[in-house]
Amino acid sequence: GENVEQHPSTLSVQEGDSAVIKCTYSDSASNYFPWYKQELGKRPQLIIDIRSNVGEKKDQRIAVTLNKTAKHFSLHITETQPEDSAVYFCAATHLREWGGSNYKLTFGKGTLLTVNP
Amino acid sequence: ETGVTQSPTHLIKTRGQQVTLRCSSQSGHNTVSWYQQALGQGPQFIFQYYREEENGRGNFPPRFSGLQFPNYSSELNVNALELDDSALYLCASSLGWDRRTLSSYEQYFGPGTRLTVT
Repeated sequence: GENVEQHPSTLSVQEGDSAVIKCTYSDSASNYFPWYKQELGKRPQLIIDIRSNVGEKKDQRIAVTLNKTAKHFSLHITETQPEDSAVYFCAATHLREWGGSNYKLTFGKGTLLTVNP
Repeated sequence: ETGVTQSPTHLIKTRGQQVTLRCSSQSGHNTVSWYQQALGQGPQFIFQYYREEENGRGNFPPRFSGLQFPNYSSELNVNALELDDSALYLCASSLGWDRRTLSSYEQYFGPGTRLTVT
């Protein structure tokens, strides 16, 4: 089955700096890679996702890059703010050709991001 | 906030007991997935229900079972509780797929049920 490794486990940055979180996956059939943000005591929320037919995707201060050959993908947060402090999870799954949400997500262990004012 | 709700919020059980957790999916969603999140870990897939049928199962023993009802709400049952079952149990609801757009749909997570087994 799929295995997702995530690094680092903790990351501390100064407000305004950039933060990068990296994940690797093992199953070459995986083709969908979402990132979730989980604040303390709250539910995971999708912040950005990428499919394997795309190398990079941006949404304001957040971007995700994917290297299919190396089987790794990364989350980039620029101009970090204190409200970005949370645990971030990467995940991987195989999405069927016709799409749909009938997939199981394999998550990394998470990265605790702390943005210091 | 998503429209996914879970009950109860917290639960304390004794080893060997049985527990039922409930998930009410967002309106219109026909798929519910259950995940176990141990402290300091990422969520782990338990199983998924699509239109009342089990649609995939993770690496969990048979004492973890589930149901989905005609209104697409769902239950997770755990028998013979063990200490290691202590975790946050998350359900996620989603639409399935749309034949018009053939696009995938996000899984929306509920707030979770914190289960403590003593």
